[in-house]
Amino acid sequence: GIQVEQSPPDLILQEGANSTLRCNFSDSVNNLQWFHQNPWGQLINLFYIPSGTKQNGRLSATTVATERYSLLYISSSQTTDSGVYFCAVSSNDYKLSFGAGTTVTVRA
Amino acid sequence: ETGVTQTPRHLVMGMTNKKSLKCEQHLGHNAMYWYKQSAKKPLELMFVYSLEERVENNSVPSRFSPECPNSSHLFLHLHTLQPEDSALYLCASSQDVTLWGQPLNEQFFGPGTRLTVL
Repeated sequence: GIQVEQSPPDLILQEGANSTLRCNFSDSVNNLQWFHQNPWGQLINLFYIPSGTKQNGRLSATTVATERYSLLYISSSQTTDSGVYFCAVSSNDYKLSFGAGTTVTVRA
Repeated sequence: ETGVTQTPRHLVMGMTNKKSLKCEQHLGHNAMYWYKQSAKKPLELMFVYSLEERVENNSVPSRFSPECPNSSHLFLHLHTLQPEDSALYLCASSQDVTLWGQPLNEQFFGPGTRLTVL
């Protein structure tokens, strides 16, 4: 299947800081999603972004499909942004594969 | 609220018990999925259903038995589980899916059932 690597594995931020999370994948994809998993286990959809750039409030994402990576930007981080951020990708040849996640801790 | 609900939210069962997990989606989607999330491991796809037909069984032990009576409901029947089956079980849905189990659009997840097998 597709290999999905997320970096960094852990990120500690001070409230108000900006950060960038990265997702690299090993093959062409036609489906890429970013999720935020809260402490109770719920996976919240952030972006469906197989290519291009999207923004939603303090969050934005960019996928450069030709170079096989996606970036998630968090600006002016808040304590409620804490949790695990997952990237998931699939293609015509491979099922949806999740990365190992980036654990974000935002301190007040 | 993602439009996907799961019950129960927590379940503790012995190895000889039989229990069922339930998932319901209110999004009008055609495809539903079961995932397993164990501690320190990425999400693992277990089963995929498209319009009530199973399109993927990802080498899951037979002690896990899925059922999809209609496109809005998905069950996971559990029997004679092992302690290593303790995990968060997540249900998801998407509008469409390929014949091989790849979602063709955005997936939405339920809140999960946290299962503990004693």
